[in-house]
Amino acid sequence: GEDVEQSLFLSVREGDSSVINCTYTDSSSTYLYWYKQEPGAGLQLLTYIFSNMDMKQDQRLTVLLNKKDKHLSLRIADTQTGDSAIYFCAESRGNTNAGKSTFGDGTTLTVKP
Amino acid sequence: NAGVTQTPKFRVLKTGQSMTLLCAQDMNHEYMYWYRQDPGMGLRLIHYSVGEGTTAKGEVPDGYNVSRLKKQNFLLGLESAAPSQTSVYFCASSRGTDLGTQYFGPGTRLTVL
Repeated sequence: GEDVEQSLFLSVREGDSSVINCTYTDSSSTYLYWYKQEPGAGLQLLTYIFSNMDMKQDQRLTVLLNKKDKHLSLRIADTQTGDSAIYFCAESRGNTNAGKSTFGDGTTLTVKP
Repeated sequence: NAGVTQTPKFRVLKTGQSMTLLCAQDMNHEYMYWYRQDPGMGLRLIHYSVGEGTTAKGEVPDGYNVSRLKKQNFLLGLESAAPSQTSVYFCASSRGTDLGTQYFGPGTRLTVL
């Protein structure tokens, strides 16, 4: 079945850039997402990218997609302490698969002052 | 517009007891999902629904039942709770359009003793 993998932990200093990586196995993936989960809360969509795109930028967030290698990354510029959270990568085939998404196990980002 | 809400937020059960978790969404979404989140295992899909009156099994359905009698509500039932069902349960909903963005509730923390 589909699989999504992420490294579990990342620690950076405030003001540095953070890069969170993700690999997936389903070549039929149409949409790839990054969700953020703060302590005690549900997941919140940060950004998404269509599989026919290579890059998407949204303010401090940059998503890079290498479809050939099935590799997705999220770069957070000028990381702040408020960015400390768990970040989940997810993939979906959208409506053709009942909207189901497969999630990675999450990367815990710790931002040190 | 409350989004996705879950009731209750916390619950402690004894082994063998039953309970129902309620998920409600006010966004007129077609698709709804129940996940459990365990440390180091990410999100795992329990059951999902593609519309009122329909349900389907996800990745880990055993020990759970669901019902979607109304479009806005998705109920998750545990008939005979077991300690292995101690987890945080998240409900999510999705429009059902091609972009399968999911909107998550705040979660229910369940402990089975």
